[in-house]
Amino acid sequence: DIQMTQSPSTLSASVGDRVTITCRASQSIGDWLAWHQQKPGKAPNVLIYKASSLESGVPSRFSGSGSGTEFTLTISSLLPDDFAIYYCQQYYSYITFGQGTRLEIK
Amino acid sequence: QLQLQESGPGLVKPSETLSLTCTVSGGSISSSNYYWDWIRQPPGKGLEWIGTIYSSGSTYSPSLKSRLTISVDTSKNQFSLKLSSVTAADTAVYYCARRNGDRVFDFWGQGTLVTVSS
Repeated sequence: DIQMTQSPSTLSASVGDRVTITCRASQSIGDWLAWHQQKPGKAPNVLIYKASSLESGVPSRFSGSGSGTEFTLTISSLLPDDFAIYYCQQYYSYITFGQGTRLEIK
Repeated sequence: QLQLQESGPGLVKPSETLSLTCTVSGGSISSSNYYWDWIRQPPGKGLEWIGTIYSSGSTYSPSLKSRLTISVDTSKNQFSLKLSSVTAADTAVYYCARRNGDRVFDFWGQGTLVTVSS
């Protein structure tokens, strides 16, 4: 099984901040990585796929990078609507999600 | 606009079989380019992929494979999940979802909470 490890588990930030979340895979997954945002009581929404491709309709303040085993999600300037839980997800072999990063208001 | 809706019992007894159905509207489940998935999320915890069904077969999570069956009913535009011998650890919100030709999740159901308890 491919394990996905996110850091940090919780991130405290303010509106306007630039934040980065890291995701590491236990083995190389190429660029078969997606990032999802989940808000309380709702299903996740995909933000990024293929490590760096922005899903249609997702604001350009979200960006993804990386390949192999190290990936990052960056939000360039936080808006109030961005405080949520973020998950990375590999789809190189089966599907595995990271444990999530809770982005909270400082 | 594609919509997915989970349905099934909200309470299942330990050792019994959990059965859920996902009804798809606004598009055909028979389209060959898509994957139809189940994902679950225990209360307050992260996401766990359960398995998928597609035109040429199905793939299950290795950790659930021995207890799992995913099937499709094209006449009703539905796909279903059966998970046998459930325990409290199977208590979760269960989501159905579609993955597109790029294998990316693009549509999700709203989720349904299933509690395993006597």
